[in-house]
Amino acid sequence: QLQLQESGPGLVKPSETLSLTCSVSGGSISSGTYYWGWIRQPPGKGLEWIGSIFYSGSTHYNPSLKSRVTISVDTSKNQFSLKLSSVTAADTAVYYCARHPGSSMVRGPVDYWGQGTLVTVSS
Amino acid sequence: EIVLTQSPGTLSLSPGERATLSCRASQSVSSNYLAWYQQIPGQAPRLLIFGASGRATGIPDRFSGSGSGTDFTLTISRLEPEDFAVYYCQHYGSSLPETFGPGTKVDIK
Repeated sequence: QLQLQESGPGLVKPSETLSLTCSVSGGSISSGTYYWGWIRQPPGKGLEWIGSIFYSGSTHYNPSLKSRVTISVDTSKNQFSLKLSSVTAADTAVYYCARHPGSSMVRGPVDYWGQGTLVTVSS
Repeated sequence: EIVLTQSPGTLSLSPGERATLSCRASQSVSSNYLAWYQQIPGQAPRLLIFGASGRATGIPDRFSGSGSGTDFTLTISRLEPEDFAVYYCQHYGSSLPETFGPGTKVDIK
């Protein structure tokens, strides 16, 4: 059974960089045609797709966040990571890592989710 | 960007009743790349429906999806106690960004 687990600081100061890692177990991050992505949910609000990385390394980002986001993969550790720079209070949210099947150009729906981790931006 | 609108915002029903949830897109969704997710408070979302009408693995057959183009529907034929949750539709595929609707909360009447 595939499992995804987010890890990283729960508190980040304004203007700093938010860094999260998703550890994948029960399957290889480099096998199959899958995207590995990040989705966030501000407290009490809806879902926002941040971006995804294809197993080959190509990335797709939400245009509204693209200038601040970097998603990368470390196949040796079976992990992928999110960096979001210049954070403000508006970036406070539960951050989910996720897997979705797809091809080089088409991303499918999310079929596996991490449990989510709350990141608060505050001084 | 495709904007998704869900209605109603809240649906108050009793166990055993039928729930009909609507998702409308601001432009046609190509290849019916429309998914539905269920989210129970404190948990991650769970995929219910993909491709507008395909049921995900392990999803009971009381959940069904329909629609095409800009209008999509999620139907729960008979509500079970565990079905009271928030439901989101999502557009996915090749265009950017992927977007979610604002959600419909199904609560107990």
